[in-house]
Amino acid sequence: GENVEQHPSTLSVQEGDSAVIKCTYSDSASNYFPWYKQELGKGPQLIIDIRSNVGEKKDQRIAVTLNKTAKHFSLHITETQPEDSAVYFCAARLPLNSGYSTLTFGKGTMLLVSP
Amino acid sequence: GAGVSQSPSNKVTEKGKDVELRCDPISGHTALYWYRQSLGQGLEFLIYFQGNSAPDKSGLPSDRFSAERTGGSVSTLTIQRTQQEDSAVYLCASSLSGLREVEQFFGPGTRLTVL
Repeated sequence: GENVEQHPSTLSVQEGDSAVIKCTYSDSASNYFPWYKQELGKGPQLIIDIRSNVGEKKDQRIAVTLNKTAKHFSLHITETQPEDSAVYFCAARLPLNSGYSTLTFGKGTMLLVSP
Repeated sequence: GAGVSQSPSNKVTEKGKDVELRCDPISGHTALYWYRQSLGQGLEFLIYFQGNSAPDKSGLPSDRFSAERTGGSVSTLTIQRTQQEDSAVYLCASSLSGLREVEQFFGPGTRLTVL
C-alpha cells in the first residue's frame, strides 16, 4: 500500500510571508496528488492537485511541485493571508488493477497566519 | 447545489452502545467513502463504495465497524459496542466516479464522543 508523510505538523507565519508544506510518498506507482484545506468545523476541500506527468502547477497564490524521482511533492502559498489559516492535507492516489482506487492522506499541517 | 451532508453533526454515547452515522452524498455521485479523523491524525480510510460493486472494506479497523449503502445513495456507518478509542470525527466523501483523478467532496463530518 501507499504511505504518505507530511511535514511540518504546524506552521506559523506572518501575513504576507510564504508557506511551504512538504509530503513524501512511498509507492512510485502513485499518479495523482491532491491537496485539501480543512477549516474549523468543516470537511476538507480540494484546493489544488497535480498529476504525475506534470512537475508544477499554479493557481493564483497557490502552487504545487512534484518530484517523481525523489517521491515528494510540496504546496507553496505566497502572500499568505489570515484566511489561509487552516489544516492542510496532502494525499496520494495509487491506482489499482481494478481501475478504482482511494486516496492515502498525510497527517495534516496546521497553518496559522498572523496579521 | 447541495453538497455532501452528514448526520448527526455530533454524537455522544456511552461505551458499549451502538451508533449509526448517516451520509447523504451528492446526487449522481457513484463513489462514496468513509474516513475517520482522530485528533492530530490524518484521514484514515475506512470503506469505499463504487456503484453496485462490492465495497472495499479494507480500512475497517475491526468487525465492530460496518457500513451499508442503500439504493446507491445514502450510506450508514454502524459502530457496535463502541469503545473510547472510537472517538473521532467521521467524514464521508463522494465523487462522480472512483476512476481516475476525480475530486472527492467531503461532508462536514460527525464528531463521535464515546464516554
